[in-house]
Amino acid sequence: DGGITQSPKYLFRKEGQNVTLSCEQNLNHDAMYWYRQDPGQGLRLIYYSQIVNDFQKGDIAEGYSVSREKKESFPLTVTSAQKNPTAFYLCASSTRTSGAYNEQFFGPGTRLTVL
Amino acid sequence: SQQGEEDPQALSIQEGENATMNCSYKTSINNLQWYRQNSGRGLVHLILIRSNEREKHSGRLRVTLDTSKKSSSLLITASRAADTASYFCATDGSSNTGKLIFGQGTTLQVKP
Repeated sequence: DGGITQSPKYLFRKEGQNVTLSCEQNLNHDAMYWYRQDPGQGLRLIYYSQIVNDFQKGDIAEGYSVSREKKESFPLTVTSAQKNPTAFYLCASSTRTSGAYNEQFFGPGTRLTVL
Repeated sequence: SQQGEEDPQALSIQEGENATMNCSYKTSINNLQWYRQNSGRGLVHLILIRSNEREKHSGRLRVTLDTSKKSSSLLITASRAADTASYFCATDGSSNTGKLIFGQGTTLQVKP
């Protein structure tokens, strides 16, 4: 099955710890994205990557880091510098047709709770 | 930054009725997309409409786009209880980086 997976589904973190959220896709998409969603809110972009070995900050990158060493993988690390990390994290990927980006495909999300 | 504003924030209707959700945005766009999210799940893409299109259909869904008013609407006809979800519009802000800016969403409840 082609798709995008995220793990773990639930994650608990103690204050002061770094945690890494996994995102994998087998859709052969060049672009990948990380979003944060707070209760009752829309999605806010944390980081995005248009191609392997390259990534850019989104609107709320502070306290987060990413890597894109492989096309299919885009892990997100939530560092201890992120003041309020409790949220629902969504990963997505997309492709381009004739230079224009198409729709994004989303993973099932990881719910992070800071204890 | 939140580009889109959706209206209403919440909508409750009976099964069989039509549901209309509106989205307004601030900057020029290449395309506007609508997504659906069931509680606690990832988003599912519904329709993408490009800036040179005015209307698009997919099954019971109809999307309109008015670039002069910077607004879009999503109509779900003959709603079903399974349509209960949150619906989000998203725009690319004409950046062509693939980045999307999401609205706050409309929560739709369809009562059986």
